[in-house]
Amino acid sequence: NAGVMQNPRHLVRRRGQEARLRCSPMKGHSHVYWYRQLPEEGLKFMVYLQKENIIDESGMPKERFSAEFPKEGPSILRIQQVVRGDSAAYFCASSPPGQGVYEQYFGPGTRLTVT
Amino acid sequence: QKEVEQNSGPLSVPEGAIASLNCTYSDRGSQSFFWYRQYSGKSPELIMSIYSNGDKEDGRFTAQLNKASQYVSLLIRDSQPSDSATYLCAVIFSGGYQKVTFGTGTKLQVIP
Repeated sequence: NAGVMQNPRHLVRRRGQEARLRCSPMKGHSHVYWYRQLPEEGLKFMVYLQKENIIDESGMPKERFSAEFPKEGPSILRIQQVVRGDSAAYFCASSPPGQGVYEQYFGPGTRLTVT
Repeated sequence: QKEVEQNSGPLSVPEGAIASLNCTYSDRGSQSFFWYRQYSGKSPELIMSIYSNGDKEDGRFTAQLNKASQYVSLLIRDSQPSDSATYLCAVIFSGGYQKVTFGTGTKLQVIP
């Protein structure tokens, strides 16, 4: 029973390039969440998605960041024109559908380094 | 602004002792509470969820919830060096769909 999968695990980008992070939820899970964790800081919510819908993007920076969860395939977090301040660990989590079940399970994360 | 507060620590306990980790939250209407463990350089791992007032036990872990006091805690019995990690308290605030807000975590050190 595979857990949440993220790739790549490590990503190095030069300033101005695009970063594309992928997340495949656990089998049977239809809700996906993205979080960012800066070094020595807490987890910050970015966006909550269901298939083909963005439910809550209140934690996403207004510019350069976008997320999608298409009908087929993984969820994608896209960062355009990366800057050094984007260097962080980006975690994806998933949870099952249905009311009353809210536990989120995390993937291993993608460590983004902007040079 | 709705917040989750934790003492950053480090909290040091000797091996075999009970570690007590505390968390307060600002939204009285919150209904869902979680404890995660995060080892350095790794992703958060769900330990416990609790939805009702009182205690919930799972092995060496006990979560305690007091909604009136807006307080949730995690007790770790018979602490082991392998329990040394950062423990994150997480809350779904009322009206927050399934958006989880995390505290900044308490670093636990279990001394052999």
